Amino acid sequence: GNSVTQMEGPVTLSEEAFLTINCTYTATGYPSLFWYVQYPGEGLQLLLKATKADDKGSNKGFEATYRKETTSFHLEKGSVQVSDSAVYFCALNGREYGNKLVFGAGTILRVKS
Amino acid sequence: EAGVVQSPRYKIIEKKQPVAFWCNPISGHNTLYWYRQNLGQGPELLIRYENEEAVDDSQLPKDRFSAERLKGVDSTLKIQPAELGDSAVYLCASRQTGGDEQYFGPGTRLTVT
Repeated sequence: GNSVTQMEGPVTLSEEAFLTINCTYTATGYPSLFWYVQYPGEGLQLLLKATKADDKGSNKGFEATYRKETTSFHLEKGSVQVSDSAVYFCALNGREYGNKLVFGAGTILRVKS
Repeated sequence: EAGVVQSPRYKIIEKKQPVAFWCNPISGHNTLYWYRQNLGQGPELLIRYENEEAVDDSQLPKDRFSAERLKGVDSTLKIQPAELGDSAVYLCASRQTGGDEQYFGPGTRLTVT
C-alpha cells in the first residue's frame, strides 16, 4: 500500500542551524507530496507542496524537492529559528489514492536559542 | 475568510458514554474529511464526504462510529459507546473541488477515562 516514512525525532537544533528532515514514500503512480506543520495547540497547516517530479516546493524559508528516482521529499531550511519549533508531517495525496492524505508519523523539531 | 471550525476543542468522558464532534468546513468546499490522530502519530482518514455523500468510509469502525453531513455543509462525527482506545485528536479538513490542498481545523482532543 501507499506509505510515508519520516526520520524519527525529536530533532534538536540551535538557532540558525541547518535543518534536514528526511521523508521517503512508497506509492504507485504519481502522487502529490506535501509538508504540513503543527504548532503546539494548533491544527495542521500546509507548509509546502510539489505535484510532480523535480518540482521544488518552498515557503517561509523551507524547501523540498520531489525526487522520483529516490522516492524522497526531504525538508530543508538554511537557518532555523526558535519559532520553527513544531511537529512536521510529510504526506502524499492524489486522485488515484482516493484524494486522502497518507501521513508519516511526524518529526518533532526543537530549536534552542 | 474563516477557516475550518471544530467544536468542542476538548472533551473528557468516561468509557461507554457517547460523544459527538462538530465540523464546519470552509465555505464552498464540497469535500470534507474526518481524520483521527493518535498520540505521536500522523492523522489517519476515517471518512470522506463529497457533498452529502460518504464516498470513503472504509476505515470508519462502524460498530461504534457514525458520521453525517446531511445538507452537504457541516458534519457531525459520533462515537457510541466510547472506549479507552478512542482517546485521540479528531481532525476535520475540507478541500475545494479540483484542488489538492486540504485545510485542517484545530481538532477536538478526546480523552476517555
